[in-house]
Amino acid sequence: QSVLTQPPSVSGAPGQRVTISCTGSSSNIGAGYDVHWYQQLPGTAPKLLIYGNSNRPSGVPDRFSGSKSGTSASLAITGLQAEDEADYYCQSYDSSLYVFGTGTKVTVL
Amino acid sequence: QITLKESGPTLVKPTQTLTLTCTFSGFSLSTSGVGVGWIRQPPRKALEWLALIYWNDDKRYSPSLKSRLTITKDTSKNQVVLTMTNMDPVDTATYYCAHRPATVTTLYYFDYWGQGTLVTVSS
Repeated sequence: QSVLTQPPSVSGAPGQRVTISCTGSSSNIGAGYDVHWYQQLPGTAPKLLIYGNSNRPSGVPDRFSGSKSGTSASLAITGLQAEDEADYYCQSYDSSLYVFGTGTKVTVL
Repeated sequence: QITLKESGPTLVKPTQTLTLTCTFSGFSLSTSGVGVGWIRQPPRKALEWLALIYWNDDKRYSPSLKSRLTITKDTSKNQVVLTMTNMDPVDTATYYCAHRPATVTTLYYFDYWGQGTLVTVSS
């Protein structure tokens, strides 16, 4: 039912940079609605990581960055750390409704 | 400090109605722009947005579940209640409530989440 598509998994060695894509359509991301990102560590509730495409809430390391272009958005993690191993979800807005991405599992090799 | 906590049954039978309560603190649901939403996550699956209620009692529902969902608020008790009728085993999931901040009207996201409550649907 997700209208935002993410790759199922990405992986990288410690210290590397990984990116996660979030592909939407003209009714959500392409309509100008912002994209937000959540990190879900194993067995825990999601945590807001990026809001408004590229803004980090207080306490989120600057290793995490977000961007948006057209009908897609991306989350980048630079200097990958073991503690970054988690599921990541994008989220946007579509026809007055909230929509989530399909989720991406990040594995630290 | 904003906190939210979900409560309700952990086990329901097929065809029964599920009632979940989100009790929150640290904000008021009478503040302009604020909302409380419900999101669920089946085991090992993705997040799925269910419903949201705004400070002005405006209510939004997932189109695929709209006929089964009702969301209400009790501002004096700092609670939001979600009911889901005709429960089925596929509705087994962890159910979260979350806070939508009073921000610019073009930003729609959740900045604080409850810990979640696992609801199993089984006879």
